[in-house]
Amino acid sequence: EAGVTQFPSHSVIEKGQTVTLRCDPISGHDNLYWYRRVMGKEIKFLLHFVKESKQDESGMPNNRFLAERTGGTYSTLKVQPAELEDSGVYFCASSHLAGVYNEQFFGPGTRLTVL
Amino acid sequence: SQQGEEDPQALSIQEGENATMNCSYKTSINNLQWYRQNSGRGLVHLILIRSNEREKHSGRLRVTLDTSKKSSSLLITASRAADTASYFCATVDSGGGADGLTFGKGTHLIIQP
Repeated sequence: EAGVTQFPSHSVIEKGQTVTLRCDPISGHDNLYWYRRVMGKEIKFLLHFVKESKQDESGMPNNRFLAERTGGTYSTLKVQPAELEDSGVYFCASSHLAGVYNEQFFGPGTRLTVL
Repeated sequence: SQQGEEDPQALSIQEGENATMNCSYKTSINNLQWYRQNSGRGLVHLILIRSNEREKHSGRLRVTLDTSKKSSSLLITASRAADTASYFCATVDSGGGADGLTFGKGTHLIIQP
């Protein structure tokens, strides 16, 4: 079974540019989560999709971040325009069932550097 | 302190020794989970302990949970070089129906051969 994949693995952009990160969850997993880790800080929850619907987006930092999951398969996270403080590692995770006792499977992350 | 805060932040031990990492949290939780991250890789789920459980074992891993103290510990017995990684505890808060994990900053464990 293929795991969660993320693309790209690294991205270096200049302040003000746009970047789109992609996450492919494990096939059949309805739940998809985005997290990010800013340098020196803890990993923070961003949002949770159930199929194509946003279940919880309480962790999204501001309106420069837009997450989509059209068709309920892969998801994209767009940052527009990017700021210096957006640099960090963005993780995606998926799980088969929702609920607090279900394991989330994480991807390797996308390292974003904003110059 | 942060929710799901681990200590120590870094730990270096000899291969074969036991490694113990601690985690403290602040809110009421449904469960607490431990994850491992090898350099450049994603997070790997190690073990989940529910709020009504006190201890759980999985292979060389032993996790304890003390909800009265809002703390957990992860013990890795007979450590191996391959155990070198960062270890994170993560909690799911009770109430609200949210599934998002709240992570600590992690403990970086180094196993010296």
